[in-house]
Amino acid sequence: NAGVTQTPKFQVLKTGQSMTLQCAQDMNHNSMYWYRQDPGMGLRLIYYSASEGTTDKGEVPNGYNVSRLNKREFSLRLESAAPSQTSVYFCASTPGWGQETQYFGPGTRLLVL
Amino acid sequence: GNSVTQMEGPVTLSEEAFLTINCTYTATGYPSLFWYVQYPGEGLQLLLKATKADDKGSNKGFEATYRKETTSFHLEKGSVQVSDSAVYFCALSDKGGSYIPTFGRGTSLIVHP
Repeated sequence: NAGVTQTPKFQVLKTGQSMTLQCAQDMNHNSMYWYRQDPGMGLRLIYYSASEGTTDKGEVPNGYNVSRLNKREFSLRLESAAPSQTSVYFCASTPGWGQETQYFGPGTRLLVL
Repeated sequence: GNSVTQMEGPVTLSEEAFLTINCTYTATGYPSLFWYVQYPGEGLQLLLKATKADDKGSNKGFEATYRKETTSFHLEKGSVQVSDSAVYFCALSDKGGSYIPTFGRGTSLIVHP
């Protein structure tokens, strides 16, 4: 039982490049989330998916898109990376919407030059 | 809106010292309160939680009591170990609202032998 997995672990991009961060969970959870973590800022929610087939914006969605590919997978796409998107990105899941304990992946460290 | 305020770190202690990390919150509904811990290079994991006023969450020697009158959820441990060195996040989930968690900025704890 791997829990929540994320790929890649680390990525370097040049400004303007695009990439997709992958997240998968094997706990049969319905809800999934993407956060970014910046020094001194805690975690900020980018997008979430309350259930398969739905996605919604969080606190800081600009510059990102998401896809809930199926129940297991929730990807985050940067269409044109900017240095301000340098951060650590965490995916999380919960058994259902309103079930409050979050289960986190190990994170993806992204550097945009 | 909802918010969580944590004491700034780093908190530096010697092994076996008493730990307190302060957390206060504002919420519009009836929040559940959480402490998550992040070890170096890893994602966040739930440490403890409390779902209603006067509840005490506890795990691995850590405790926190949900104080509605002071809107606080301070984390305590009687005797810290080097292995407790990590970043600790206070969070809330508003059961009367959207259930989307709100995180504090995190407090780094460094324990010296």
